[in-house]
Amino acid sequence: KAGVTQTPRYLIKTRGQQVTLSCSPISGHRSVSWYQQTPGQGLQFLFEYFSETQRNKGNFPGRFSGRQFSNSRSEMNVSTLELGDSALYLCASSLEHPPYNEQFFGPGTRLTVL
Amino acid sequence: DQQVKQNSPSLSVQEGRISILNCDYTNSMFDYFLWYKKYPAEGPTFLISISSIKDKNEDGRFTVFLNKSAKHLSLHIVPSQPGDSAVYFCAASAQGQNFVFGPGTRLSVLP
Repeated sequence: KAGVTQTPRYLIKTRGQQVTLSCSPISGHRSVSWYQQTPGQGLQFLFEYFSETQRNKGNFPGRFSGRQFSNSRSEMNVSTLELGDSALYLCASSLEHPPYNEQFFGPGTRLTVL
Repeated sequence: DQQVKQNSPSLSVQEGRISILNCDYTNSMFDYFLWYKKYPAEGPTFLISISSIKDKNEDGRFTVFLNKSAKHLSLHIVPSQPGDSAVYFCAASAQGQNFVFGPGTRLSVLP
């Protein structure tokens, strides 16, 4: 069974631009969560989607948004990029809503904002 | 304010010895805890979990201990192997909510 895939793997943008990241969950998984990882901060929860609906949202500004499609694939969008948005963005999928269902992580998208 | 803390950014251990990774939390509502392991250029992978109704859970070389009164959990790896060298994240959940992760501890197991 294929794992969680994320595209692109690396991205370089400049301040003020916007970016869209994509995540394809494991087949059959309905929940997709997004995390931001920065040095010293660990993984910060962004949001979770389940059956095309946002179930939970972390403490991030409205510039961060996402959506989930009917095939469970998910996209995350960041508008008006800031230098502090440089991070590794991780997507995780699970069969059902975490935490009692194991989350499987993708390799992440490394975003650099110049 | 970090609700989940891993106060040791790094740890070095000799191969064959015990590795002990620590995690402290502040939210007394946390009732489910996980440890994840992360290699460079890969996503985190689930290692072991523990529910607040237990104080110990064991899986092969990995054992997690939970001390609810101290709001502390630890991961023991015995014996440590070079392949265990990775970043370890502690994560906690309160009543079915999404996880709060610690900042991670980089473990280096020296041959």
